[in-house]
Amino acid sequence: EVQLVESGGGLVQPGGSLRLSCADSGFTFSKYWMSWVRQAPGKGLEWVAIIKEDESEKYYVDSVKGRFTISRDNAKNSLYLEMNSLRPEDTAVYYCVRDQGSNSGMDVWGQGTTVTVSS
Amino acid sequence: QTVVTQEPSLTVSPGGTVTLTCASSTGAVTSGYHANWFQQKPGQPPRSLIYSTSNKHSWTPARFSGSLLGGKAALTLSGVQPEDEAEYYCLLYYPGRVFGGGTKLTVL
Repeated sequence: EVQLVESGGGLVQPGGSLRLSCADSGFTFSKYWMSWVRQAPGKGLEWVAIIKEDESEKYYVDSVKGRFTISRDNAKNSLYLEMNSLRPEDTAVYYCVRDQGSNSGMDVWGQGTTVTVSS
Repeated sequence: QTVVTQEPSLTVSPGGTVTLTCASSTGAVTSGYHANWFQQKPGQPPRSLIYSTSNKHSWTPARFSGSLLGGKAALTLSGVQPEDEAEYYCLLYYPGRVFGGGTKLTVL
């Protein structure tokens, strides 16, 4: 079964840092672009970042540029999101997503991990 | 800042047909925006229904279809079922991706 499992969420103070992880199973992780998508409580979806299979291309939403870094370790079938200088507005459920672009869209989603930024 | 706009809410009767739309602040939505549609029910992650404007996944019910309509991306549900009540999001490709604000579909 194709599956993504996020971890690393939690409560952090404003200005703090957190590292999210996403582990895959059931597919060849190294062959796919991957995205992070977040959803603030009671709000809609927001695309956060995307990374190419070989890490040669990375893109971010403007609101996280310079604060968040997406990375991956294909040997460990893992995706990461390093989040620094966190703000209350970063509070959200963060989803790891297999992103096949125009080939098959965002077709596999994890269950999400919750990040709360509060003092 | 690019904004993608959807109807905030729509109501449809069981067995009816409804069309949800997705507009871009940059102008007409074309096939180059590779519109995606997602369904999300409370407490669950989103589920992809449509990619690249009109392509379905193996799990997408036949009653869902995607198209371009009047300069917007559109998701049409024909023969709506009670279980289709959910939030629906569109996604457009720019440099990066942008989600619409979502449409809450009520089946009543």
